Amino acid sequence: AQKITQTQPGMFVQEKEAVTLDCTYDTSDPSYGLFWYKQPSSGEMIFLIYQGSYDQQNATEGRYSLNFQKARKSANLVISASQLGDSAMYFCAMREAGSARQLTFGSGTQLTVLP
Amino acid sequence: ETGVTQTPRHLVMGMTNKKSLKCEQHLGHNAMYWYKQSAKKPLELMFVYNFKEQTENNSVPSRFSPECPNSSHLFLHLHTLQPEDSALYLCASSHDQGRYGYTFGSGTRLTVV
Repeated sequence: AQKITQTQPGMFVQEKEAVTLDCTYDTSDPSYGLFWYKQPSSGEMIFLIYQGSYDQQNATEGRYSLNFQKARKSANLVISASQLGDSAMYFCAMREAGSARQLTFGSGTQLTVLP
Repeated sequence: ETGVTQTPRHLVMGMTNKKSLKCEQHLGHNAMYWYKQSAKKPLELMFVYNFKEQTENNSVPSRFSPECPNSSHLFLHLHTLQPEDSALYLCASSHDQGRYGYTFGSGTRLTVV
């Protein structure tokens, strides 16, 4: 079964506007972490933001925020004030605290910021 | 620079060649990973090392041979590869605890001709 689902293969956003990238997850482990990574065309995976399953507040890092809805098992990434440099592939990932403990990735969303 | 260094950045090799990819981290992490990323495919976990011991091998063909001499270094030895092995190979490291994410290197873009 798919543990991380990203249903948007591609997204477009106008420069300076906000965009939401969707991510849903599946786990029975009560303790887990959710991560978002950015992968530009150069290939490196850049860590953006982290949300722990017990965290009471939604995570924020600069222009990135995570809309965490635990009951719905969703962890959407919101990028505010999009910039041209935000054009990249974005991956949602989960790491469970239990025996698996591997970082599991979704299939990614290709974001293109339009001038 | 993320703290995880991969060399080389690009590699072109023939199917009969033997080459090695190198990964190095000095972040104090005790777990290291090899991932394969092919075009238009999700990241595929290949190998996991924890405190230098291999803890996972995700049905990777034997033409890929990992080596972890210590917690800071990880190699991927390649021999008699196929063109379909052309991909971006990413190394990552982490603390071996669930709440920590991975730090990735910049990857080696491998082309098999």
